[in-house]
Amino acid sequence: GESVGLHLPTLSVQEGDNSIINCAYSNSASDYFIWYKQESGKGPQFIIDIRSNMDKRQGQRVTVLLNKTVKHLSLQIAATQPGDSAVYFCAENGRDKIIFGKGTRLHILP
Amino acid sequence: GAGVSQSPRYKVAKRGQDVALRCDPISGHVSLFWYQQALGQGPEFLTYFQNEAQLDKSGLPSDRFFAERPEGSVSTLKIQRTQQEDSAVYLCASSFHIAYEQYFGPGTRLTVT
Repeated sequence: GESVGLHLPTLSVQEGDNSIINCAYSNSASDYFIWYKQESGKGPQFIIDIRSNMDKRQGQRVTVLLNKTVKHLSLQIAATQPGDSAVYFCAENGRDKIIFGKGTRLHILP
Repeated sequence: GAGVSQSPRYKVAKRGQDVALRCDPISGHVSLFWYQQALGQGPEFLTYFQNEAQLDKSGLPSDRFFAERPEGSVSTLKIQRTQQEDSAVYLCASSFHIAYEQYFGPGTRLTVT
């Protein structure tokens, strides 16, 4: 069945360094992916999305890379800041629902 | 402008009690979604409305779960005869249209004792 999962449950990064969060998906028919950030006590917040006809998309301090050959997504956060501490989910936008992976918790070290 | 709001933010229920969780979507948003998020997991889809029509309820875990959106705006998720496994955060999201970005509310944390 469909599944979107993550390689690592937690990631610790020094403040100011770049963070890379990885995600694997299993449905080769998936054509639209989203990264969400979820802070404690809040709902998921949209960060950036990418469609399957692209392999890279950049936002403000964030970049998403899509490798369809190996069914892999990554989220890169440049110059990680304390406010980036959160759980990050990759998700597939299905027909009428979002299918979330399990999440990676990002810890920022001072 | 105002985002998606949910109430109550926290609910403690004794096993066997019925609960009702409310979602106020962003004004003008046609699509409304409910998700269940267990501790340490990603949200899982429960059900989807387009206006007042419930077009997909494939994610509802049992017939104890019922959702409605009678006037195409506010939605209520009702859980009857709550069980411990129902303990989770229930998230509501809305979007202008099914194909557009979903905006999530803060969730209701339900604890069944």
